[in-house]
Amino acid sequence: KAGVTQTPRYLIKTRGQQVTLSCSPISGHRSVSWYQQTPGQGLQFLFEYFSETQRNKGNFPGRFSGRQFSNSRSEMNVSTLELGDSALYLCASSWPLGQKNTEAFFGQGTRLTVV
Amino acid sequence: GQNIDQPTEMTATEGAIVQINCTYQTSGFNGLFWYQQHAGEAPTFLSYNVLDGLEEKGRFSSFLSRSKGYSYLLLKELQMKDSASYLCAVRDPLALIFGKGTTLSVSS
Repeated sequence: KAGVTQTPRYLIKTRGQQVTLSCSPISGHRSVSWYQQTPGQGLQFLFEYFSETQRNKGNFPGRFSGRQFSNSRSEMNVSTLELGDSALYLCASSWPLGQKNTEAFFGQGTRLTVV
Repeated sequence: GQNIDQPTEMTATEGAIVQINCTYQTSGFNGLFWYQQHAGEAPTFLSYNVLDGLEEKGRFSSFLSRSKGYSYLLLKELQMKDSASYLCAVRDPLALIFGKGTTLSVSS
């Protein structure tokens, strides 16, 4: 069974640009969550999607947005990039169809560097 | 508000036992998770507690007290490969909220 796949793995962007990151969850998982990980702040929750609906959102500015498609794949977008957006962005999938929700499975992440 | 606290760093020697504590204050509670993350890798699931008590899984055990908002992860017979960051997370209830992690260094 394939794991969570995130693309691209590495990305370098310039301040002011926008970026789109992609996440393909484990087959059958309905929930996708996004996290930003930085050395000082740890893993910070961005948002969670379930069946194409955003169910919860963390404390991030509106420049951070996301969506989920009917096949559960998800994208997150960051507009008007700032230097402080440099981080590892992790996607996690959970909630297999017909099963009790337990742990989340993480992808390898996208390392975004803003210069 | 949501607050999850765990020590920033811990050190131990091979073969020893180490206990990593986690205290939490969250608006909801649907379970507590422990994850392990090696440098440059994705977090991987270690344990899940939703009821009070101890859950044992090989060399790893996790304890939960919901009334005290407290959990610990116990690692026995430490090995060098256990050097990693250990993340405590609470499901609250739609999001998994993480602490900042405890970096464990195991020396020989």
